[in-house]
Amino acid sequence: GENVEQHPSTLSVQEGDSAVIKCTYSDSASNYFPWYKQELGKRPQLIIDIRSNVGEKKDQRIAVTLNKTAKHFSLHITETQPEDSAVYFCAASNPGGFKTIFGAGTRLFVKA
Amino acid sequence: NAGVMQNPRHLVRRRGQEARLRCSPMKGHSHVYWYRQLPEEGLKFMVYLQKENIIDESGMPKERFSAEFPKEGPSILRIQQVVRGDSAAYFCASSQDGGPNTEAFFGQGTRLTVV
Repeated sequence: GENVEQHPSTLSVQEGDSAVIKCTYSDSASNYFPWYKQELGKRPQLIIDIRSNVGEKKDQRIAVTLNKTAKHFSLHITETQPEDSAVYFCAASNPGGFKTIFGAGTRLFVKA
Repeated sequence: NAGVMQNPRHLVRRRGQEARLRCSPMKGHSHVYWYRQLPEEGLKFMVYLQKENIIDESGMPKERFSAEFPKEGPSILRIQQVVRGDSAAYFCASSQDGGPNTEAFFGQGTRLTVV
């Protein structure tokens, strides 16, 4: 079945450093890749997404890259701040949009 | 425009009881998705529904779990004869349509504890 693998499971960085989270997916038909941030005890919230016809997208300190050939995509956070500390989930969605498969999550700690 | 509303936020049930989780999608959204999040784990797809139809329930356990999204009212996720392993956060998400590249908005979740 479809699968999304996410690495690392835990990431600790110093404030101001960059953080990179990587995901691979198995369903080559996937064409929509959202990233969610989930703070402790709260709902997942979309922070950025990328579609399969685009290789890279940037929104202020957050960027996402997509390599469809290799079936992997990455989240890059630059100039990290303590408030970036949260669990980040990558996801892949099939063309019908019927089902979004999530990665297992990356717990990011930003140390002040 | 209120977001996705889930209730209750917290639900405690004894083993063997039934749990009913409700989800009201955002206004104008007719597509609902349910996810389960076990402690310290990611979100697992359970079921995708449109009004009065179950589109994809491939993530639902075969027994004790059911979901509906009636013409009127919220979507309901029903768990019969709950067991301790059902303890989790259950998130509902809604989208305006089910086409590709559609952003889904999540509710606050219902935290089910089975004692």
